Amino acid sequence: AQTVTQSQPEMSVQEAETVTLSCTYDTSESDYYLFWYKQPPSRQMILVIRQEAYKQQNATENRFSVNFQKAAKSFSLKISDSQLGDAAMYFCAYRSARGGGSQGNLIFGKGTKLSVKP
Amino acid sequence: GAVVSQHPSWVICKSGTSVKIECRSLDFQATTMFWYRQFPKQSLMLMATSNEGSKATYEQGVEKDKFLINHASLTLSTLTVTSAHPEDSSFYICSASPGGGYEQYFGPGTRLTVT
Repeated sequence: AQTVTQSQPEMSVQEAETVTLSCTYDTSESDYYLFWYKQPPSRQMILVIRQEAYKQQNATENRFSVNFQKAAKSFSLKISDSQLGDAAMYFCAYRSARGGGSQGNLIFGKGTKLSVKP
Repeated sequence: GAVVSQHPSWVICKSGTSVKIECRSLDFQATTMFWYRQFPKQSLMLMATSNEGSKATYEQGVEKDKFLINHASLTLSTLTVTSAHPEDSSFYICSASPGGGYEQYFGPGTRLTVT
């Protein structure tokens, strides 16, 4: 079974600085997707960034980028120029690429609470 | 972008009663819908997966007779918590997927409090 591990329960960053959130996963599959979701106090889950395992290039979305190391099964999220609105819970998630139905469900890590100091 | 709504956003019910939560995909057809439960300061736990027109697939440890899931159309899935008890109090989140791809779009969640 696949597992996702986030080893940092809490992180803090100064506004305008850069912070990296860690995520490791375990799987025997070769094709899958990885995601970072943000959950602000409103509790609405927001997709931050996604990465297809078959792509070697790291995904980037504006201030958010990932460092995807497939061999090491590592998928960290870097937030540059941190803003107060980035404060939230961040969840790393895994999804098999085998298709829909029950195999399409997301497996979440336990989350990292990010605080941004002004 | 794809929008998923949930209703109600919060509900308080008495122990022993049943409560229904609706999850709707507003601008796309959802082949698959997922129901999650989230306790305070914890991660999302998948409860069940439902495909339109077929029975839901429940995760291990989730009582299917207690958490009834119906996915009668491509835009609507419902979760009914039957004979609710205080321990069922939680935050319930649905997500919907158009299928074929890998996106899941999340609803805003429903806070259930059982007194």
